[in-house]
Amino acid sequence: GAGVSQTPSNKVTEKGKYVELRCDPISGHTALYWYRQSLGQGPEFLIYFQGTGAADDSGLPNDRFFAVRPEGSVSTLKIQRTERGDSAVYLCASSQRGTSNSPLHFGNGTRLTVT
Amino acid sequence: QKEVEQNSGPLSVPEGAIASLNCTYSDRGSQSFFWYRQYSGKSPELIMFIYSNGDKEDGRFTAQLNKASQYVSLLIRDSQPSDSATYLCAAFTGGGNKLTFGTGTQLKVEL
Repeated sequence: GAGVSQTPSNKVTEKGKYVELRCDPISGHTALYWYRQSLGQGPEFLIYFQGTGAADDSGLPNDRFFAVRPEGSVSTLKIQRTERGDSAVYLCASSQRGTSNSPLHFGNGTRLTVT
Repeated sequence: QKEVEQNSGPLSVPEGAIASLNCTYSDRGSQSFFWYRQYSGKSPELIMFIYSNGDKEDGRFTAQLNKASQYVSLLIRDSQPSDSATYLCAAFTGGGNKLTFGTGTQLKVEL
């Protein structure tokens, strides 16, 4: 596809439920990033993949959050036992090389609401 | 201290004026810097990136980098109402794996 694709665009779930958020990066981009953005804040780094492996998962807030990228393309962010504080926009981005001179390109995000 | 700091604004400028947006960063190892524009309810859109000290111009936009002062800025010439958005400054930190964002500066261009 032409850009980074994220599904669903909106997700409403009840507290305690499990959710999966999907990201399809730009074709050929080796690096994939997940961010979380709350109202009035900048995007907060969660995890970065280079190929299939998580190169940096230091931003995952706790063990309820997990992400995979099994074939080095599509990635899924998984959140267990959701809490109301998990409500935010979850942004996915990809870059061509994953190096510091390779800009990130963002998808439209998934707005997660936990009731 | 936050790794990337911006004044949250709002910064109001009249149409046709120069808007100056500023950003400081704390990681002296950061080598590359990015400006993103984010309209309300939309995702960040890359405007410019800069790696070397000095100025880099692209159309109405100029990015400025001063590594000694750990300071990055974005100038928008001939500001238009369509430039009204939040501008996010970002730097690769922690050895280059992670793009860290500031909280963003809200720009309002008034008619």
